[in-house]
Amino acid sequence: AQSVTQPDIHITVSEGASLELRCNYSYGATPYLFWYVQSPGQGLQLLLKYFSGDTLVQGIKGFEAEFKRSQSSFNLRKPSVHWSDAAEYFCAVARGGQAGTALIFGKGTTLSVSS
Amino acid sequence: DGGITQSPKYLFRKEGQNVTLSCEQNLNHDAMYWYRQDPGQGLRLIYYSQIVNDFQKGDIAEGYSVSREKKESFPLTVTSAQKNPTAFYLCASARGGSGNTIYFGEGSWLTVV
Repeated sequence: AQSVTQPDIHITVSEGASLELRCNYSYGATPYLFWYVQSPGQGLQLLLKYFSGDTLVQGIKGFEAEFKRSQSSFNLRKPSVHWSDAAEYFCAVARGGQAGTALIFGKGTTLSVSS
Repeated sequence: DGGITQSPKYLFRKEGQNVTLSCEQNLNHDAMYWYRQDPGQGLRLIYYSQIVNDFQKGDIAEGYSVSREKKESFPLTVTSAQKNPTAFYLCASARGGSGNTIYFGEGSWLTVV
């Protein structure tokens, strides 16, 4: 069965420091992968997505993610974190088969930014 | 403006009552979805619809019902059979086809007392 694992429940990073959020997926074929961000009590905003091609994808707000098939990973990175990046981050994989675009989400990683 | 509108934002209901959450989109998307979010659980799929007058159960459909009579609308009814209905509910939509980006509404908080 398809699944997404985000190993880190909560991460604290100093403002200006680099960030890496981990994501591992389980899917036999080439996956469609997504990272979303959620501010408290709000909907989800798409940061970036990987469908095919270049394994390093650029997103909004200075984020990037690298798809590594050999490791079944799609880690999110940012070189310098800003206080406004504090939020919850979700990795997701598109379901195969009849579900079409429906996504399977990881349980999320909460990012705190310290000054 | 184009987008997904969920209403109401906050809803309180007594146990045993059915409640309907509204979701409307003007993005001309074929597919629509309902997810439930609980703290520490991520998002779990309740129902989805890829075309008008058709919908399928997701992973946690028990105690919920939906309809898709219009392309723009996908209301979710939380019935009294749902054992633990207090949660944050997110509606989403996407163009038809595999792998397209899903866009989310702002969510509805349901509290059952």
